[in-house]
Amino acid sequence: AQSVAQPEDQVNVAEGNPLTVKCTYSVSGNPYLFWYVQYPNRGLQFLLKYITGDNLVKGSYGFEAEFNKSQTSFHLKKPSALVSDSALYFCAVRDVMDSNYQLIWGAGTKLIIKP
Amino acid sequence: DTEVTQTPKHLVMGMTNKKSLKCEQHMGHRAMYWYKQKAKKPPELMFVYSYEKLSINESVPSRFSPECPNSSLLNLHLHALQPEDSALYLCASSQDLGAGDTQYFGPGTRLTVL
Repeated sequence: AQSVAQPEDQVNVAEGNPLTVKCTYSVSGNPYLFWYVQYPNRGLQFLLKYITGDNLVKGSYGFEAEFNKSQTSFHLKKPSALVSDSALYFCAVRDVMDSNYQLIWGAGTKLIIKP
Repeated sequence: DTEVTQTPKHLVMGMTNKKSLKCEQHMGHRAMYWYKQKAKKPPELMFVYSYEKLSINESVPSRFSPECPNSSLLNLHLHALQPEDSALYLCASSQDLGAGDTQYFGPGTRLTVL
């Protein structure tokens, strides 16, 4: 069965430090992977996705993510955190071979950036 | 422009009321979605429309009734809701139903059922 795990409910980072939000997945075929961010009382905003090609994907607001097939991971990273990055982050996956259209979502990770 | 708009932003309704949520996109996307999201949880898929036809109904109770009047608009009609239906209702759209197609979300409607 397809699944996504975000092992940390919350991540705390000091402003200016690098941040990592972890995501691992399980699919039968090849994965399409997505990261979304949700600010309080807002909808989800698309950050980046991995479809194929370069394992390092760059996205909005200075975020990037690295696809690691052997570790079935797609961790979200940023070199220098901003207080405004504080939000709820969701990882999601689709199995390319699955005719089901649904995104499979992780539980979400709350990122807190402290000044 | 990757904007999906939703109205109203907030809605309070009684259990006997009838109301509608509206969603609009002008990106030429052919797939549109309704999601329900409880606080601090991932969104739960409710309905998917593709080319204005209902493709997926995730066993949603009949008190929720979707409608897609045209390729840019998506409505969700609400009737006889329960307090547990209180949630953030999100609309999304994507170019098509391809596995790699990105879903773009609207800001949501915060629904409270009294």
